[in-house]
Amino acid sequence: DAGVTQSPTHLIKTRGQQVTLRCSPKSGHDTVSWYQQALGQGPQFIFQYYEEEERQRGNFPDRFSGHQFPNYSSELNVNALLLGDSALYLCASSLLDRGVLGYGYTFGSGTRLTVV
Amino acid sequence: GNSVTQMEGPVTLSEEAFLTINCTYTATGYPSLFWYVQYPGEGLQLLLKATKADDKGSNKGFEATYRKETTSFHLEKGSVQVSDSAVYFCALPIIQGAQKLVFGQGTRLTINP
Repeated sequence: DAGVTQSPTHLIKTRGQQVTLRCSPKSGHDTVSWYQQALGQGPQFIFQYYEEEERQRGNFPDRFSGHQFPNYSSELNVNALLLGDSALYLCASSLLDRGVLGYGYTFGSGTRLTVV
Repeated sequence: GNSVTQMEGPVTLSEEAFLTINCTYTATGYPSLFWYVQYPGEGLQLLLKATKADDKGSNKGFEATYRKETTSFHLEKGSVQVSDSAVYFCALPIIQGAQKLVFGQGTRLTINP
């Protein structure tokens, strides 16, 4: 049973460019959450998608946007990249309402984004 | 607001040493508390959890007790192994709107043989 799959695993972009990261949730999961993990920090919640809509957003600017497709996969887009956007971006999938309470919040291995 | 504070790292120990990683939290009410582990090159994995005060979560020899008096959830292991080398995160869930996790800054643990 495949877990959460993220692509690409590593990415280098130039300041000002745009980037798209992808996430395929664990089979049977319908909700996708994105987190940003800066070097030496804990992950921070970016937003969550369910039924192709953004349910809630963390404290991130509008340069960060996302999308969820009918097959529950998701994309994270970041525009006008800044050096400070360099981080590990984690995707987590779950069943709505059965997520963070430990019943099935599954993380992917992440995409390491470096902005130069 | 809700937050989690972990002890400063990194932590380096010898094999079979006793481990404690401190975690304190600030939250409304009495949320569940978690410890996650991140092995090199892998995603976060739930290590253990406690759902109410005085609960003890345990897994793979690790333990943590939910202490509401001291708002703490310290992670302990009696005898660490080289394979325990990883980054450990204390976390609490927020269930307002979208369910999400608030993490501490993480503690990098290195075990030397």
